[in-house]
Amino acid sequence: EDQVTQSPEALRLQEGESSSLNCSYTVSGLRGLFWYRQDPGKGPEFLFTLYSAGEEKEKERLKATLTKKESFLHITAPKPEDSATYLCAVQSAAGNKLTFGGGTRVLVKP
Amino acid sequence: DTEVTQTPKHLVMGMTNKKSLKCEQHMGHRAMYWYKQKAKKPPELMFVYSYEKLSINESVPSRFSPECPNSSLLNLHLHALQPEDSALYLCASSPRGTELTYNYGYTFGSGTRLTVV
Repeated sequence: EDQVTQSPEALRLQEGESSSLNCSYTVSGLRGLFWYRQDPGKGPEFLFTLYSAGEEKEKERLKATLTKKESFLHITAPKPEDSATYLCAVQSAAGNKLTFGGGTRVLVKP
Repeated sequence: DTEVTQTPKHLVMGMTNKKSLKCEQHMGHRAMYWYKQKAKKPPELMFVYSYEKLSINESVPSRFSPECPNSSLLNLHLHALQPEDSALYLCASSPRGTELTYNYGYTFGSGTRLTVV
């Protein structure tokens, strides 16, 4: 069974204070690891897909990296508008579905 | 059109009511999903439709009944729900083909906030 664990559960940052979120996973044949951002009461918004170890993706202040066991989402010099819940999910070779981690709630204070 | 549209946005229903949630996409995606999300929890998969056929049912109670009338529409019929079924119900779709999923991921709608009283 696919398992995804995210840490920390919550993160409070000052504006400009860079940090990293962790996503550890166990999956039988990784087809893709996905990062999403979710604002309260809204659906998840797609950020990145990573497929192979060593891969990196960047979007504005966000950078995602992937190893064989975990992924990191680095937030560089965050702004208050980066406050959201960040979700990590995996898709295994066994099935056409996403399995989500518990998420990291990020609050960036001005 | 790169959206998944869900209606209604909010729904309050009694435990004896019958209601339906609707989901529509026009991106040509051939896989569609229903997820349930409780407050401060991640989305949990309920159903997967692939080419309009039910391919995954995650042991969901029969009071939830999915339907996929065509490649653009997905419904979730609700009957005799319990208060613990109150949650945000999310619809998603994904393209066939590894390259497309790699670049665009799964697309989620904004959800229907369901309250069972």
